Amino acid sequence: DAKTTQPTSMDCAEGRAANLPCNHSTISGNEYVYWYRQIHSQGPQYIIHGLKNNETNEMASLIITEDRKSSTLILPHATLRDTAVYYCISGYGQNFVFGPGTRLSVLP
Amino acid sequence: GAVVSQHPSWVICKSGTSVKIECRSLDFQATTMFWYRQFPKQSLMLMATSNEGSKATYEQGVEKDKFLINHASLTLSTLTVTSAHPEDSSFYICSARDRLAGGLLVAKNIQYFGAGTRLSVL
Repeated sequence: DAKTTQPTSMDCAEGRAANLPCNHSTISGNEYVYWYRQIHSQGPQYIIHGLKNNETNEMASLIITEDRKSSTLILPHATLRDTAVYYCISGYGQNFVFGPGTRLSVLP
Repeated sequence: GAVVSQHPSWVICKSGTSVKIECRSLDFQATTMFWYRQFPKQSLMLMATSNEGSKATYEQGVEKDKFLINHASLTLSTLTVTSAHPEDSSFYICSARDRLAGGLLVAKNIQYFGAGTRLSVL
């Protein structure tokens, strides 16, 4: 079973920020949080990962709570191309266990 | 950078035949590659972990004699579905981990995924 829980689905208006939450309350001290997304019929695409500090790259920002029990992926200006299933995974970089993820629909 | 190429992207075969799927890391070396399977409307399920120069490690319930994995070089792993049957029809996806990206800190080594192979067994 996946060690993370995410909402099944979310909608977001085009151009607005998409905030995708993830609960990983059993995460251990050395485990990272990874985010991937999967657009229909393609392999997952790496987005971002972090350990304790908030992270930002050209795709997204990752906000990790101080107790590390949850995190939020932020897509600052969602576009229609961001419609996908988003997976939050906790672990050590191997033996990823994928949950059902969050199906994000970006609406025009 | 960090491109993983998977070939073929789509294959149709007759029941009883074998199918080989290739996974290549194009711009990095991968001592470890992973093979996943995804059925329609389901999430990815890890099948096996492929280690360069050694035997693959299979997840519980995955038949190692049916899903043969070879990882002969730092940039290539292959998955052969032997004597394929219709129930093996699925989306097979590989990933590779850059062995140098995180140094000794394995958790920083991100998995990069191929585009997947859709297998249809008639």
